[in-house]
Amino acid sequence: QKEVEQNSGPLSVPEGAIASLNCTYSDRGSQSFFWYRQYSGKSPELIMFIYSNGDKEDGRFTAQLNKASQYVSLLIRDSQPSDSATYLCAVMDSNYQLIWGAGTKLIIKP
Amino acid sequence: DAGVTQSPTHLIKTRGQQVTLRCSPISGHKSVSWYQQVLGQGPQFIFQYYEKEERGRGNFPDRFSARQFPNYSSELNVNALLLGDSALYLCASSLGVRSGYEQYFGPGTRLTVT
Repeated sequence: QKEVEQNSGPLSVPEGAIASLNCTYSDRGSQSFFWYRQYSGKSPELIMFIYSNGDKEDGRFTAQLNKASQYVSLLIRDSQPSDSATYLCAVMDSNYQLIWGAGTKLIIKP
Repeated sequence: DAGVTQSPTHLIKTRGQQVTLRCSPISGHKSVSWYQQVLGQGPQFIFQYYEKEERGRGNFPDRFSARQFPNYSSELNVNALLLGDSALYLCASSLGVRSGYEQYFGPGTRLTVT
């Protein structure tokens, strides 16, 4: 059974601080890794993707991938109240299908 | 450019009925995937289509079926609805089905079965 695990939270972070979201996956054949943001009642919105080990930065967001440890993370710098949402980790498995975590609820406190 | 569109936005059905959900992908995208998302959970993969052929099927009963048309739009059909089918149904499109192709989601269809 291929699994993607996330801490359900909620993760509470003060405004302006760094929010750190983590995800582990079970399928060593996984090749692509995605972070989606989902506001309540809305559909998931792609914010970051990463394919290679290491860090990838895009504005205030940094995705980190460690394939040896089967671990992917998302850092949000200078957190804003508008970043409050559920963050979903999705992993493309060896069959090119997305396996999803249950999401981490992030709350940014003003 | 228009994003992924889905219709209808909301739907209320009775147990035992049948429902058809529709999805139009981003222009140029040839792959459509369907997901079911129950409140508080991540999306669950139902089907993936590419160039009108089924490329993947998740762990859903045969009551669920789908197809993709020559213009790459897609329909998801669910027969003999159960209360447990109540969920947000999401459609995502991508250029292809291999690694490196990101999926972009439509607004979803909220299905309520009473």
